[in-house]
Amino acid sequence: NAGVMQNPRHLVRRRGQEARLRCSPMKGHSHVYWYRQLPEEGLKFMVYLQKENIIDESGMPKERFSAEFPKEGPSILRIQQVVRGDSAAYFCASSANRGGVNTEAFFGQGTRLTVV
Amino acid sequence: DAKTTQPPSMDCAEGRAANLPCNHSTISGNEYVYWYRQIHSQGPQYIIHGLKNNETNEMASLIITEDRKSSTLILPHATLRDTAVYYCSSAPQVGGGADGLTFGKGTHLIIQP
Repeated sequence: NAGVMQNPRHLVRRRGQEARLRCSPMKGHSHVYWYRQLPEEGLKFMVYLQKENIIDESGMPKERFSAEFPKEGPSILRIQQVVRGDSAAYFCASSANRGGVNTEAFFGQGTRLTVV
Repeated sequence: DAKTTQPPSMDCAEGRAANLPCNHSTISGNEYVYWYRQIHSQGPQYIIHGLKNNETNEMASLIITEDRKSSTLILPHATLRDTAVYYCSSAPQVGGGADGLTFGKGTHLIIQP
């Protein structure tokens, strides 16, 4: 049973380009969460999605950032017109729902975005 | 902002028990205590969670005080591979989901040979 898969592991973008980060949850998991970690900082929650629904996006910047989790395929975190301040590690986590209760979350290895 | 406070760093000798404290004085009655660790910029790894009873699994033990305002993660026989940043968090239901998980700066545990 593969864990949470994120790709790419490393992504370099020039200022103004778009960054697309992909996350495939663990098998059987229907909940996906995205976190951002700046250098030497803790993890900051960004967004929580279920299939085809955004449940909580309270941690998402108001502009340039969007996330989706389609019925088929991985979850995508999209950053438009990247700036140097977007350089960070982006982690995805997934969990299952059993009897209405979410199980513990498991994290992927992250995508390290560098904006040059 | 994180709802927990942890010491920024701790040392422990290899083979000894590592005891990592966490204060969560504002924890709500329906919130679980979670522990994760992050080894050198890898993805965070789930360790253990609990509500009010002490818990043990193959990785660690979790001791929660009776008033639930603090807890201690115990690694019974620390190895060099346990060197990592350990995060304590609280969230309102099992798993949180992870939208309920807020992480502060954690405790950097260094295992000394």
